[in-house]
Amino acid sequence: EDQVTQSPEALRLQEGESSSLNCSYTVSGLRGLFWYRQDPGKGPEFLFTLYSAGEEKEKERLKATLTKKESFLHITAPKPEDSATYLCATGSGNTGKLIFGQGTTLQVKP
Amino acid sequence: DAGVIQSPRHEVTEMGQEVTLRCKPISGHNSLFWYRQTMMRGLELLIYFNNNVPIDDSGMPEDRFSAKMPNASFSTLKIQPSEPRDSAVYFCASTRNGVNYGYTFGSGTRLTVV
Repeated sequence: EDQVTQSPEALRLQEGESSSLNCSYTVSGLRGLFWYRQDPGKGPEFLFTLYSAGEEKEKERLKATLTKKESFLHITAPKPEDSATYLCATGSGNTGKLIFGQGTTLQVKP
Repeated sequence: DAGVIQSPRHEVTEMGQEVTLRCKPISGHNSLFWYRQTMMRGLELLIYFNNNVPIDDSGMPEDRFSAKMPNASFSTLKIQPSEPRDSAVYFCASTRNGVNYGYTFGSGTRLTVV
């Protein structure tokens, strides 16, 4: 069964304290690994798509990387406005659907 | 672009009542997805459409749930009769040409069944 697991469930950082979020996946026929950001009361917002092991993508203080079994979202020198829940998801097989992990809730304190 | 538009934003209803949630996808997007989000189960795919045709409804929890997409610019998710365990945030998302472009989500409908 296709599965996506994120860790940790929650992460508290001081402003400027870099860290990484983990997304482990088991899926047959990976069709992309997706990262989303979700703010309270809003829908998830698309951040990145990664397709092959070794691929990396960056956006401001965020960098996503992909291996054959997991993806990392590295947050460099975070700011309070980076506080949100970060979700990863995998595309599976030839369908259009995404399977989401439970998310990591990040809180960055000033 | 106005994005994916969902209505209502909040819905409070009594158990046993019919509930209809609405979604307008982004113009030009040909795939539409309905998700449900709860603390316990996270984001769960209920059903998705491609070119207005339902492709996979295996996530629809029971016969009480039904979804339609009569045209490319409108979809509904109906629950009849509603139950307290249906309380959740329901999201609609759309994308173009399948998974590879990533979804755009709406702001969701928070449903409370009392």
